[in-house]
Amino acid sequence: QVQLEESGGGVVQPGRSLRLSCAASGFTFSFYAMHWVRQAPGQGLEWMALISSDGFRSNYADFVRGRFTISRDNSKNTLYLQMSSLRHDDTAVYFCARDTGAAPGAFDLWGQGTMLAVSS
Amino acid sequence: DIQLTQSPTSLSASVGESVTITCRASQSISNFVSWYQQSPGKAPKLLIYAASTLQSGAPSRFSGSGSGTHFTLTVSSLQPEDSATYYCQQSYNTLITFGQGTRLEIK
Repeated sequence: QVQLEESGGGVVQPGRSLRLSCAASGFTFSFYAMHWVRQAPGQGLEWMALISSDGFRSNYADFVRGRFTISRDNSKNTLYLQMSSLRHDDTAVYFCARDTGAAPGAFDLWGQGTMLAVSS
Repeated sequence: DIQLTQSPTSLSASVGESVTITCRASQSISNFVSWYQQSPGKAPKLLIYAASTLQSGAPSRFSGSGSGTHFTLTVSSLQPEDSATYYCQQSYNTLITFGQGTRLEIK
């Protein structure tokens, strides 16, 4: 079954760090660029970061650059998001998404999301 | 960053009717636009990519058009399950952005 499954969310205090994971299955993970997208409660979608299929290139939205790091382990079919200096406004559902490749920047497969609440 | 502005913010229509959602970009983005549907509590689903190409598995009543700075998503013959929020997205450069969303209610 072709799917993505995020994990690692929860409740964390402001200023702390956390790593999210996204496990891929049912397709050749190493063929695809991957993205992280988040959605604050009641708000719209917010693209955060992308990483190339080989992991050598990445890019970030301005609001996370320097605080969050996207990475991947193709041997484990897993995508990661390392988050540091977490703030209250990082509270959101975090989705990983697969880039179609055929139409770069279009996301044809999404995980169900993992919820992160930043609270003291 | 490239800004995307969707209109309307919300709309309501009846089963069988057609609706059109507009997405305007702050600069020309060729046809690097995708459209997504998101139901409450669910992950988004890709409907349209490259402005007008229907994603495999998406119903044919969804169609997209446009280029440059003006794009539209049309839903024909509305069905109850089309009640959702719709987002446009640009990938003209690697700083990807989404529109703010349009909530569609089916009466």
